[in-house]
Parts: sequence; C-alpha cells; structure tokens
Amino acid sequence: TQLLEQSPQFLSIQEGENLTVYCNSSSVFSSLQWYRQEPGEGPVLLVTVVTGGEVKKLKRLTFQFGDARKDSSLHITAAQPGDTGLYLCAGRPSNDYKLSFGAGTTVTVRA
Amino acid sequence: DTAVSQTPKYLVTQMGNDKSIKCEQNLGHDTMYWYKQDSKKFLKIMFSYNNKELIINETVPNRFSPKSPDKAHLNLHINSLELGDSAVYFCASSLNREAAFFGQGTRLTVV
Repeated sequence: TQLLEQSPQFLSIQEGENLTVYCNSSSVFSSLQWYRQEPGEGPVLLVTVVTGGEVKKLKRLTFQFGDARKDSSLHITAAQPGDTGLYLCAGRPSNDYKLSFGAGTTVTVRA
Repeated sequence: DTAVSQTPKYLVTQMGNDKSIKCEQNLGHDTMYWYKQDSKKFLKIMFSYNNKELIINETVPNRFSPKSPDKAHLNLHINSLELGDSAVYFCASSLNREAAFFGQGTRLTVV
C-alpha cells in the first residue's frame, strides 16, 4: 500500500487545455512537494507546500495543499508541449525522515 | 557545478557480479538517500543517511550495502547481482528533511 496515491496515472491533452493532478493520503504531512521528471533525468523540485490550505503559483502551475494537510493538487493552465513529463508528489509524515513518493502521473501535451 | 553527481550513468553487468555506484553532493546537505525506480517509474526509497548515520533501511536484500564515508558521499555496493536488480538508481540529498535534490540516475542492466 502506497502512502501517497496519485491520479490519474496517465494524462494526454491538447496544447492549450487545462489539467489537474491529484495526490491523496490518509496520513498528515508536515509538507508536500511536487517534482517533475524528464526522460533520462532525475526528478526536479517544482514546489514545496507547508501550510494547510496554502496555494502557490509558478507561472501557469498552481499547487494547493489541503486544509488537513493530507492531500495536494497540481493544476496546469493552458498546457504547452514543454509541460510534458512525469509529475511526482512526495511527502514526509510529521517527524519522519522518510520522503515517500506517489506513483507519478505521466502528462503528455500534444501540439 | 553539479549539485548531486552519481557515477556511472550506465552500468551493464552480468549476473553474479559485484558492482558499486558512487554519489557525491556539494550542497552541504546533511541527509542523503538511495532510491530505486522501476520500469513503472515508481520511486522506492532504499536507504537514508543523516550525518553519516543510517536512519532509513527499507526492506531490501542484504546484497545491497550503503556506505557513507562522510556527509558529502553515499555509495551503494551490490553483491551477486540478479536480473531483478535492473532498474534506475537515484541518489538524492536534502537539508533538515527539506526538499530532496536528485542526481541524474544510474541505469543498471543485469544480463
């Protein structure tokens, strides 16, 4: 059983459309992170959310942390082919060194 | 300068061999990790060291042995390699349980 459940597993959309990726858990996290991984590379940190209810924006990407600090979402507005990649959520339950990852969402944006 | 570097990037070896993967970080981080990414892209933590002390030791075969000579280095030695060990292995580091920075990965293929 995975600590973090990500959905959907795959997402294929046309350029200009919006998309949302979800990350859910039954555990409470001190913070959640989102990473993006491209083929042949390691995951790269996009954002860390730490406060329940927090919303962070990174250009066309919007990240939200649930009020209870058990879930998060990533929303991409007007997706572009450059947004194609594997998106991973990750988190540490409170007072834990272990950084666990969701299974990832493979996003493909078609031109 | 590369923040987290691991070598080699590719490793092809025969079953039964012993091999090592090296990792170095120049970020001044106090925690280092080894992750295994399988063919379905799931990142599973294997080990973690904090200030050279082993703090996470997940259920992995004891053929896998990490070694941390100092805070900036974490190596992974694998004995008696098996076909099922084929995967991409990522080294990562973090400071005070914050976001993890990943290396580029080592693609291990056992034939």
